[in-house]
Amino acid sequence: EPEVTQTPSHQVTQMGQEVILRCVPISNHLYFYWYRQILGQKVEFLVSFYNNEISEKSEIFDDQFSVERPDGSNFTLKIRSTKLEDSAMYFCASRGQGAGAYEQYFGPGTRLTVT
Amino acid sequence: EDQVTQSPEALRLQEGESSSLNCSYTVSGLRGLFWYRQDPGKGPEFLFTLYSAGEEKEKERLKATLTKKESFLHITAPKPEDSATYLCAVQAYGSARQLTFGSGTQLTVLP
Repeated sequence: EPEVTQTPSHQVTQMGQEVILRCVPISNHLYFYWYRQILGQKVEFLVSFYNNEISEKSEIFDDQFSVERPDGSNFTLKIRSTKLEDSAMYFCASRGQGAGAYEQYFGPGTRLTVT
Repeated sequence: EDQVTQSPEALRLQEGESSSLNCSYTVSGLRGLFWYRQDPGKGPEFLFTLYSAGEEKEKERLKATLTKKESFLHITAPKPEDSATYLCAVQAYGSARQLTFGSGTQLTVLP
């Protein structure tokens, strides 16, 4: 069964450093998303991406964040200068297109720890 | 602003003891309501999509229902392997189809 994969599973970084989180969406999906979940809190939407551009972003997704689809398979989230409050689980999700293709399939997540 | 409220926050059941989880929502225009299961340290696993009031979906011991203001996830004769956090999320019209999640119900089924 096709699945979304994410690497690394755990990333530890120092405050102010840049990190890149990687995702491989399901192969025939065209819509991609990043969400985050701070420990003990809700899953929160960050950004949606379609046709090589951002289609919507939340207030959380400020200038420190960027997304990219560098090739036909990978989808990345970059945080330029990490802060302590960026520590969270980051989930990538993808969905297909067509009537009823609304459900999103999530990856296993990357746990980001900023020290 | 879209809002999703789930109750109870936590639920402990004995194996075989049926119960229901609640998800109340306010959304400008509901495109779909989703139920996910999340195990500790893992990503949400898709369970159901409901599109309109009166709709029901079933999968094994789980049944999801939808009204104009809330959704229920009914668990019939649960087993310990059903222990997880169950998340409800809504998707609104006019959006890029992002999901707004509730805080979840942490279900523990005791053998």
